[in-house]
Amino acid sequence: AQKVTQAQTEISVVEKEDVTLDCVYETRDTTYYLFWYKQPPSGELVFLIRRNSFDEQNEISGRYSWNFQKSTSSFNFTITASQVVDSAVYFCALSDNTNAGKSTFGDGTTLTVKP
Amino acid sequence: DVKVTQSSRYLVKRTGEKVFLECVQDMDHENMFWYRQDPGLGLRLIYFSYDVKMKEKGDIPEGYSVSREKKERFSLILESASTNQTSMYLCASSFFAGARMSTDTQYFGPGTRLTVL
Repeated sequence: AQKVTQAQTEISVVEKEDVTLDCVYETRDTTYYLFWYKQPPSGELVFLIRRNSFDEQNEISGRYSWNFQKSTSSFNFTITASQVVDSAVYFCALSDNTNAGKSTFGDGTTLTVKP
Repeated sequence: DVKVTQSSRYLVKRTGEKVFLECVQDMDHENMFWYRQDPGLGLRLIYFSYDVKMKEKGDIPEGYSVSREKKERFSLILESASTNQTSMYLCASSFFAGARMSTDTQYFGPGTRLTVL
């Protein structure tokens, strides 16, 4: 069975601090996708990144970076020099061949960035 | 840009009413989803459709039904609304898994916050 665990329910940081959101997943498939989505206070989930299981290369996009480690089944998300606009709920998700089109979502991490 | 729209941002209904939540996507996606989101429970899949007139139950289908008569439109129906269905409802769409353009990435609508009194 697939499972996504985001152990951090809430995180609060002060602006300009770096923050890492953890995501641990479980799957028996060797082919799968991992995702991060952002849900700002407005409510709409916004796609941030997708990573397939064969590509363990870390990715950086501006202040965002992702660390994918198959050995620990983790796909962690780091925000560098956080800003107030980063305040949101962040979801990690997993899609594999068993799910075929559906994604399993973690419970989300609520990030609050204080000025 | 992919656009997923939902018919209402906020909705207030009374117990026992029949409620329709509409979702429309403009990317020719085969898959469409309905989730509900409640504090501390994350996103829970209610129903899933991978083609017109096709539907599949998700994790919490009880008390809900769906309709997919056209590819771009996926409706969620609460046959007799109850107070425990007060929630945020999110619609999403994606390409069919295994299709050439499929990445399994889901694109979400803005959500409908439903209150049942």
